[in-house]
Amino acid sequence: QQQVKQSPQSLIVQKGGISIINCAYENTAFDYFPWYQQFPGKGPALLIAIRPDVSEKKEGRFTISFNKSAKQFSLHIMDSQPGDSATYFCAASGGFGNQGGKLIFGQGTELSVKP
Amino acid sequence: AAGVIQSPRHLIKEKRETATLKCYPIPRHDTVYWYQQGPGQDPQFLISFYEKMQSDKGSIPDRFSAQQFSDYHSELNMSSLELGDSALYFCASSFGGNYGYTFGSGTRLTVV
Repeated sequence: QQQVKQSPQSLIVQKGGISIINCAYENTAFDYFPWYQQFPGKGPALLIAIRPDVSEKKEGRFTISFNKSAKQFSLHIMDSQPGDSATYFCAASGGFGNQGGKLIFGQGTELSVKP
Repeated sequence: AAGVIQSPRHLIKEKRETATLKCYPIPRHDTVYWYQQGPGQDPQFLISFYEKMQSDKGSIPDRFSAQQFSDYHSELNMSSLELGDSALYFCASSFGGNYGYTFGSGTRLTVV
């Protein structure tokens, strides 16, 4: 059973547009929600992360929106650029207090930004 | 800045052979995680170590074993390799088991 569900599976956006990727989770013990960017043949790279005590976090062009009651969170990429073309994974972890732990990943979204 | 180093980058093995993957965490990081990523799949957690002790175990086959050494590097040993073991294997490290850990570039294992 997929504990973290991600959509869409693929996304095509024009340069300068907004890319939106959504995730939903089931385990209410999760308390850490990161987004990773992965280029082909490379390891996932942490983009931005949020804890459930805030509803939004912004870092540069990347924003996470978090809805605790709906158990959903999303990544918004503003002013999308061709260099943003990659696979994006949401993830969740938690139930370990302040200790880190294994990440449960979503299925991934392949983003393509057209010039 | 130093990153997580994995070796080898690529590995080709035949069925039923054995493979050893190595991971060198970021200096002063004491926690290591191993993930397996099949083609077009999301990374799946295999196993983790904190201060040289196994801290968590995921969907790791019994044919696989791992350990963390006194210098905090870790090795993933895979025996009786099967075609289905072909995947990217990532190691990640953190300090104190904290969130936001850093992934290495992975080892691509191909079993033929």
